[in-house]
Amino acid sequence: DIQLTQSPSFLSASVGDRVTITCRASQDISSYLAWYQQKPGKAPKLLIYAASTLQNGVPSRFSGSGSGTQFTLTISSLQPEDFATYFCQQLNTYPITFGQGTRLEIK
Amino acid sequence: EVQLLDSGGGLVQPGGSLRLSCAASGFTFSNYAMTWVRQAPGKGLEWISVISYSGTTIFYADSVKGRFTVSRDNSKNTLYLQMNSLRVEDTAVYYCAKRSPEVAGSFDYWGQGTLATVTS
Repeated sequence: DIQLTQSPSFLSASVGDRVTITCRASQDISSYLAWYQQKPGKAPKLLIYAASTLQNGVPSRFSGSGSGTQFTLTISSLQPEDFATYFCQQLNTYPITFGQGTRLEIK
Repeated sequence: EVQLLDSGGGLVQPGGSLRLSCAASGFTFSNYAMTWVRQAPGKGLEWISVISYSGTTIFYADSVKGRFTVSRDNSKNTLYLQMNSLRVEDTAVYYCAKRSPEVAGSFDYWGQGTLATVTS
């Protein structure tokens, strides 16, 4: 199975900060990577697919980059509604796997 | 508007069964692959199964293979997950999700989830 390792697992930041979350895959997954945001008690929401394509309706402060084994999710200027948990997901190979999550909290 | 409504969760003893349903609306259900993902309390996301638009191609995670069965009824716009031989570690919120149409598509719409609790 392909393992996805996110870093950091926990991140404390302030409104207006620029933050970056990294996802590393245990083998080459090309650009078959997605990012999701999840708030407590809610279903995950797709933010980015194909490593760098913004899902319709997602604010442009979110961006994704990378290919192969190294990927990043960047939020350019944190807003209060961005404090949540973020997961990366690989879709290159079955079983589909998720990273362990990055919890983003208000400093 | 795409809507997915998960239902069927509940309390069951180890070794028991549950059948989850996911009622879809707002899109042409028969054109899209669908998937199930679960989340144990306080834990991360675990992919469980995917079924092609026609139902002819199915994959499972090893953790549920041989115990869970995914199916769909395109005439009823409904996805199912039959869960047998349930274990305590199957306790989780179960989400259905629609798969986007591109190659190796991501999960672009999700149900609200339904909680299955396995306990004696």
